Amino acid sequence: DQQVKQNSPSLSVQEGRISILNCDYTNSMFDYFLWYKKYPAEGPTFLISISSIKDKNEDGRFTVFLNKSAKHLSLHIVPSQPGDSAVYFCAASADNFNKFYFGSGTKLNVKP
Amino acid sequence: NAGVTQTPKFRILKIGQSMTLQCTQDMNHNYMYWYRQDPGMGLKLIYYSVGAGITDKGEVPNGYNVSRSTTEDFPLRLELAAPSQTSVYFCASRVTSTNEKLFFGSGTQLSVL
Repeated sequence: DQQVKQNSPSLSVQEGRISILNCDYTNSMFDYFLWYKKYPAEGPTFLISISSIKDKNEDGRFTVFLNKSAKHLSLHIVPSQPGDSAVYFCAASADNFNKFYFGSGTKLNVKP
Repeated sequence: NAGVTQTPKFRILKIGQSMTLQCTQDMNHNYMYWYRQDPGMGLKLIYYSVGAGITDKGEVPNGYNVSRSTTEDFPLRLELAAPSQTSVYFCASRVTSTNEKLFFGSGTQLSVL
């Protein structure tokens, strides 16, 4: 049973516009959330994270929002650039960080 | 600084064959992980290790074995390959128990025919 879900397999956005990638989770014990970006033939790379004690974390063009009551988080990319085209994975962990549970990914295509 | 290195990048196995996927990291990270990614699915944790000599099962350990004799190396062994093990395998490492950032290798694409 998948504890982290990304229900949109793909998203297409125009360059310069906002990209919003969504993620839902079922386990209320998760208290740390991460986003990873993956290019073809490469391993995922860390993008941004958020602790459950926050509801927002920003890093340049990337912002992650967390809604604990809805068990939902989202990644906003503003403005989107063609180089952002990749697969984005949402991940979650409980307090020991030993296990990270990943969603199925959303393939983002940013059109020039 | 090479980071996390996985070999081989590609491999085709026949049903019933055995092989070892190699993973080594040069960052002196204590924590190491093996994930598999099936098409359209997220990464599933196979095994992980919190330090040399210590390993534990993840979500999908059946059909696999691991060992961790050194901090640097964390090989994954497939004893009797099955078509269900066709997947992309990723090794990852993490530095401490309080640092959440995983560093991934570039993956091994394995086909079992």
